[in-house]
Amino acid sequence: AQSVTQLGSHVSVSEGALVLLRCNYSSSVPPYLFWYVQYPNQGLQLLLKYTTGATLVKGINGFEAEFKKSETSFHLTKPSAHMSDAAEYFCAVSTGFQKLVFGTGTRLLVSP
Amino acid sequence: AAGVIQSPRHLIKEKRETATLKCYPIPRHDTVYWYQQGPGQDPQFLISFYEKMQSDKGSIPDRFSAQQFSDYHSELNMSSLELGDSALYFCASSPRDSSLTDTQYFGPGTRLTVL
Repeated sequence: AQSVTQLGSHVSVSEGALVLLRCNYSSSVPPYLFWYVQYPNQGLQLLLKYTTGATLVKGINGFEAEFKKSETSFHLTKPSAHMSDAAEYFCAVSTGFQKLVFGTGTRLLVSP
Repeated sequence: AAGVIQSPRHLIKEKRETATLKCYPIPRHDTVYWYQQGPGQDPQFLISFYEKMQSDKGSIPDRFSAQQFSDYHSELNMSSLELGDSALYFCASSPRDSSLTDTQYFGPGTRLTVL
């Protein structure tokens, strides 16, 4: 079985500060890992994904994540937060062409 | 680029009524997934279809059924609605072509409110 743990239901940063959203996974087989963003009353938008290959993955809107197998982590980072980054972020895992198992989400708050 | 289409976007029903949610996947996507997201919750997998056959089943109540049609659109049928069924229902589609990495593209969701 697979699972995802997102540490911190809420993360607050100032505009221009580093964003770090944590995600740890559990999987008995090599995982596919995803980060999705959800703005209020909207659907889920894919930020980035890791399947195979390079462990540092770059996504949209300046976000990136690094797959660390030894730490079973896939933390999401952005060097400089923007007000428009305020949203709910979900980490998810699958084993390829299978259902996504989501974490409980982290709400990112950005203050001016 | 074409996206996943879901209809209706909003639906209000009374308890014990039925509801039908529709999903139109991205063209040439042959796999459809359904997820339920309760208020303040993460999305939970309900059911999926590949080439019109059910491929996986999650925590979907027996009151719910779904199918995928020959044009690859899918419908989620919900009967004997309960207050707890109030949620955002997402459909996602993906191509099964092995030359492409597995990515699920989500629709905007249908917000179901049961009164």
